Amino acid sequence: QSALTQPRSVSGSPGQSVTLSCTGTGSDVGGYNYVSWYQQHPGKAPKVMIFAVSKRPSGVPDRFSGSKSGITASLTISGLQAEDEADYYCCSYAGSFWVFGGGTKLTVL
Amino acid sequence: QITLKESGPTLVKPTQTLTLTCTFSGFSLTTTGVAVGWIRQPPGKALEWLALIFWDDDKRYTPSLRSRLTITKDTSKNQVVLTMTNMDPLDTATYYCAHKPIQGNWFDPWGQGTLVAVSS
Repeated sequence: QSALTQPRSVSGSPGQSVTLSCTGTGSDVGGYNYVSWYQQHPGKAPKVMIFAVSKRPSGVPDRFSGSKSGITASLTISGLQAEDEADYYCCSYAGSFWVFGGGTKLTVL
Repeated sequence: QITLKESGPTLVKPTQTLTLTCTFSGFSLTTTGVAVGWIRQPPGKALEWLALIFWDDDKRYTPSLRSRLTITKDTSKNQVVLTMTNMDPLDTATYYCAHKPIQGNWFDPWGQGTLVAVSS
């Protein structure tokens, strides 16, 4: 199995919106509505920001939203804040196992 | 409150077998739908999903490492154990365990992770 494809880096200014993409195949992203997104700050464990494509856990700001079209999932962060600077990983269920993306480093300019 | 904590050696030699333990609280691995998974992250690199065990002892492995991984649980101790055979320097990574909720295919929360180095 191959890792899901994410852009290596994305940047935006405070207050702007950014969209992170995550491309898989019909056997993972395209086959199930079980894409999740994780935020990881340096030296910390990942934290789920979005699950089941577009659901937000309690405590996650509504600036974070998720969507999916075909084999590509997206995480949109609106009203970018300095604390959003982190690595973001997508993850998809793939039928009998799970697969992560290569991660995107989000820089807040 | 659900918490998980990984434990095990910080250094193993090439060809040795790694044994990691995930000790958790706040949930039971006898509850239908619950599972615990392992994910690793080499220094400066991406997350890689490794294995997962369900409440009913159903086990899942990443295809590329299936032959080297074994996951087991001890519900009386609230522990999940991951073993990885024939360790290689490329297996140097932070190893995380994480809770998979009922009726969900995501991981929340995660343990703090444990760094394992493979070197002679």
